[in-house]
Amino acid sequence: QKEVEQDPGPLSVPEGAIVSLNCTYSNSAFQYFMWYRQYSRKGPELLMYTYSSGNKEDGRFTAQVDKSSKYISLFIRDSQPSDSATYLCAMRWGGGSNYKLTFGKGTLLTVNP
Amino acid sequence: GAVVSQHPSWVICKSGTSVKIECRSLDFQATTMFWYRQFPKQSLMLMATSNEGSKATYEQGVEKDKFLINHASLTLSTLTVTSAHPEDSSFYICSAPDWQGANQPQHFGDGTRLSIL
Repeated sequence: QKEVEQDPGPLSVPEGAIVSLNCTYSNSAFQYFMWYRQYSRKGPELLMYTYSSGNKEDGRFTAQVDKSSKYISLFIRDSQPSDSATYLCAMRWGGGSNYKLTFGKGTLLTVNP
Repeated sequence: GAVVSQHPSWVICKSGTSVKIECRSLDFQATTMFWYRQFPKQSLMLMATSNEGSKATYEQGVEKDKFLINHASLTLSTLTVTSAHPEDSSFYICSAPDWQGANQPQHFGDGTRLSIL
């Protein structure tokens, strides 16, 4: 079993739809959870960064963490064609400066106008 | 916000040559930087951790003599792919944690697409 599981999709939705992206993990030592957006041939761009269980909202994006279930989600409201990209979840252990990220495989999202 | 700049964005070269990729933190100091490799439709795979003023830490299976890392200053890390071969063709990405606050997330460069002929 991999440490982080993420459905690679692809996921195709109409413009304006609510998108739900998910990752599960097995390592209970993970404390920090991130969602990155990666456009084709570009580096990942940080979207959300959370520590505790619960919800965090930023504009049209909501990140949700359930540590008891080892499950994280990213919701995109009113999705736009510009949201079409690969979404990567990432996690790391807590504390310090020399930390490593463990990534999911990424979910390819297409929002159709 | 924190910005990480990577150069070049794309390089094509002949088999057997060495290629140097630069990663710079533009508005913050980075004692640690990370180098990743990404194949098409795959996730990022950590290659090594670059430490300012000391040797890099390589992940299992990554050849140290093949992928030379130098972190000579607090804002610059370089990755040199030595004697590159077609199998080294990939997308290389660097990242650095933002030290403007504790436990800040990593910020990524835009990557370097390396094509070896």
